[in-house]
Amino acid sequence: TQLLEQSPQFLSIQEGENLTVYCNSSSVFSSLQWYRQEPGEGPVLLVTVVTGGEVKKLKRLTFQFGDARKDSSLHITAAQPGDTGLYLCAGGAGDYKLSFGAGTTVTVRA
Amino acid sequence: NAGVTQTPKFQVLKTGQSMTLQCAQDMNHEYMSWYRQDPGMGLRLIHYSVGAGITDQGEVPNGYNVSRSTTEDFPLRLLSAAPSQTSVYFCASSYSVGRNTIYFGEGSWLTVV
Repeated sequence: TQLLEQSPQFLSIQEGENLTVYCNSSSVFSSLQWYRQEPGEGPVLLVTVVTGGEVKKLKRLTFQFGDARKDSSLHITAAQPGDTGLYLCAGGAGDYKLSFGAGTTVTVRA
Repeated sequence: NAGVTQTPKFQVLKTGQSMTLQCAQDMNHEYMSWYRQDPGMGLRLIHYSVGAGITDQGEVPNGYNVSRSTTEDFPLRLLSAAPSQTSVYFCASSYSVGRNTIYFGEGSWLTVV
């Protein structure tokens, strides 16, 4: 059973469209991270959120941590082909164990 | 600065064989970990270490051993490979877990036949 549920599992959109990826859990996390992974490479950290209700922006990417610190979302505005990849959320509970979601595969078509 | 280095990149093993996946980091990180990544399953923690001489089990430790004799190295040993261990393995390191950046290696593709 996945501690963190990501949805959708797959997302294919046209360049210029917006998209949102969700990460949900029944557990409370002290922090939540988002990673992007490209084929043949390891995941690369995009952002860490630690406060309930926190919103962080990274250029066209907006990350939100739920008020109860059980869920998070990643919104991409005007997606570009370079945004293609596997997006992973990961929750930390302060016990040295980071739990990952199964990931959302995003494909942006030119 | 090499970051996290994993070897080998690709390996094919026969059932029952043993092997070691090597991992080294040059960032003086105390925390190191091994994950396996399978389709639809995300990354699952195998073993982790919070410093030299200290290791602990993660979510899926069975069939794997680790040791941490130095801060830099954290090898993962498969004692008797099974087809269920066919996966992509990632080593990672960070100053701590949760709020700090975790740096991942490029992965090791292991096939057990």
